[in-house]
Amino acid sequence: QVQLLQSGPGLVKPSQIFSLTCAISGDSVSSNSAAWNWIRQSPSRGLEWLGRTFFRSKWYTEYAVSVKSRITISSDTSKSQFSLQLNSVTPEDTAVYYCARGLTTTGFDLWGQGTLVTVSS
Amino acid sequence: EIVLTQSPGTLSLSPGERATLSCRASQSVSSSYLAWYQQKPGQAPRLLIYGASNRVTGIPDRFSGSGSGTDFTLTITRLEPEDFAVYYCQQYGSSLFTFGPGTKVDIK
Repeated sequence: QVQLLQSGPGLVKPSQIFSLTCAISGDSVSSNSAAWNWIRQSPSRGLEWLGRTFFRSKWYTEYAVSVKSRITISSDTSKSQFSLQLNSVTPEDTAVYYCARGLTTTGFDLWGQGTLVTVSS
Repeated sequence: EIVLTQSPGTLSLSPGERATLSCRASQSVSSSYLAWYQQKPGQAPRLLIYGASNRVTGIPDRFSGSGSGTDFTLTITRLEPEDFAVYYCQQYGSSLFTFGPGTKVDIK
């Protein structure tokens, strides 16, 4: 059974960097049929896709325009996990962050448990 | 970016009734790559329908999806108590994936 398990801090100070990790069990981060996504949800912005990484003979990353200048998504094949790093955070980045597996024809079929990240001093 | 609009915002119905949820896209969704998710409080969204009309394995057949182009519908034929939740549509036909704002189905 494929599972995604998220880890990372729940409280971050404004202007700082935060990182979240999503550990994959039962699948491979370098799968040729999956993409590994980060999505966040807040009352003001709803569900917002942030970006993804995937392997198709080489590694690719794609980011949402809204966060493109501040985001990095990376993968660690030795640990079968992928990570989100968001820089220069503000209170507007307060949200529940989810990792999710995306398949080309089905959308996001598998989600992590979610991590509430609060940006506050 | 494709903007998705969902209506109504809230649907108040009784168990056993039929629910019809609408999702409209600002431009045509490529290959009908339109998905529907159900979300309950404190949980991650759960994929119900993909490709506009394909039910995920294990999803009851009272859930059905239809539509193409810019207009899509999720129908729940007879609401069960566990179906009261928020439903989101999402397009994955372009690489800038977007979600609709959601329709809350609550108990009348």
